[in-house]
Amino acid sequence: AQSVTQPDIHITVSEGASLELRCNYSYGATPYLFWYVQSPGQGLQLLLKYFSGDTLVQGIKGFEAEFKRSQSSFNLRKPSVHWSDAAEYFCAVAPLFRGTASKLTFGTGTRLQVTL
Amino acid sequence: SAVISQKPSRDICQRGTSLTIQCQVDSQVTMMFWYRQQPGQSLTLIATANQGSEATYESGFVIDKFPISRPNLTFSTLTVSNLSPEDSSIYLCSSKGPTYEQYFGPGTRLTVT
Repeated sequence: AQSVTQPDIHITVSEGASLELRCNYSYGATPYLFWYVQSPGQGLQLLLKYFSGDTLVQGIKGFEAEFKRSQSSFNLRKPSVHWSDAAEYFCAVAPLFRGTASKLTFGTGTRLQVTL
Repeated sequence: SAVISQKPSRDICQRGTSLTIQCQVDSQVTMMFWYRQQPGQSLTLIATANQGSEATYESGFVIDKFPISRPNLTFSTLTVSNLSPEDSSIYLCSSKGPTYEQYFGPGTRLTVT
């Protein structure tokens, strides 16, 4: 079955530490891949996206993500976390259908807590 | 990126009534989407709204319960009808960007009593 999985429901890191949030997908062809962040009481903000090309993509707020086809993964990383990064992070995929993609399917989300 | 606003930002409604949520985009877009986010959960797509055609609903969502209008390329409304406590959620609209990403509004928090 087609799916997107975020294995970690909740992660706690210390401010200044590095961060990696995991995302795995299961689709016949590589979908378009996205990471979004949702701060409490807010909508979703696009952090970064991957369609093709360089497998390491840079996003906003110092985030990056690496696409690994062999592992069907698109993990989000940040070298040094700030307290303001505490939020819910969603991985999303847009499966290709007849060469185009429209609908997003979201993972279950990872809640990031940052300790000072 | 598109800037999206939603009204109202939150509301408390009585069981059996309806709530209409407005979504305004600051530029013309072909595709708009409506999502539901139940408490502590991820986002679930309700329907896709294209201007000039009927909305396309996802499995488990029906037009009688979630009627959608899309009168032009910058505006859409979602009505949640015959409210029950199970409809208490955040409802978000989004628009499709030029390269398949979506941009989201701030959401409408609905509480049904």
